Amino acid sequence: DIQMTQSPSSLSASVGDRVTITCRASQSIASYLNWYQQKPGKAPNLLIYAASSLQSGVPSRFSGSGSGTDFTLTISSLQPEDFASYFCQQSFTTPYSFGQGTKLEF
Amino acid sequence: EVLLVQSGAEVQKPGATVKISCKVSGYTFTDYDIHWVQQAPGKGLEWMGLVDPEDGETIYAEKFQGRVTMTADTSTDTAYMELSSLRSEDMALYYCATDYPSRIPTFVFWGQGSLVTVSS
Repeated sequence: DIQMTQSPSSLSASVGDRVTITCRASQSIASYLNWYQQKPGKAPNLLIYAASSLQSGVPSRFSGSGSGTDFTLTISSLQPEDFASYFCQQSFTTPYSFGQGTKLEF
Repeated sequence: EVLLVQSGAEVQKPGATVKISCKVSGYTFTDYDIHWVQQAPGKGLEWMGLVDPEDGETIYAEKFQGRVTMTADTSTDTAYMELSSLRSEDMALYYCATDYPSRIPTFVFWGQGSLVTVSS
């Protein structure tokens, strides 16, 4: 099985900050990597698919990069509504594993 | 509009079986897989498996193999996830999600989640 490791597990930041979250796969997954945002009590919301493609309706301050085993999610200028948890997920092969999550806090 | 509407919260005893439903609308049910994801309280997301509504084929994560059964009823456009031999570690929110419109496991559309409580 492919293990997905995110870092950091939590992150303190302020409005306007530039933030980067990393995700590492235990083996190459090409660009089969998605990023989700989740707010308390809600289902996850797709932000980035195929490592770097912005999902329709997602603000352009979110961006993704990487391929192979190393990936990043960057938020260029944090907004109040961005304080949430973020998960990466590989869509390369079953089981379609998620990272353990990064909680973005004030 | 694509909607996935799940059944309500359940309280089950240890050792019991729970069955959660996920009713789909807004696209052709048989054209896309339904996936199930577990989220324990305060924890991350864990992919449990998928069902192909067209032929009923399933793929399960090893962790749940032997205890989980995923099915799809094409007459009602509803997918089901049944988890047996419940234990305290199964207390979680369970989500269904579809791989519409991409046909790869990239989840744009999710159900609202079904909370399962395991308590004697």
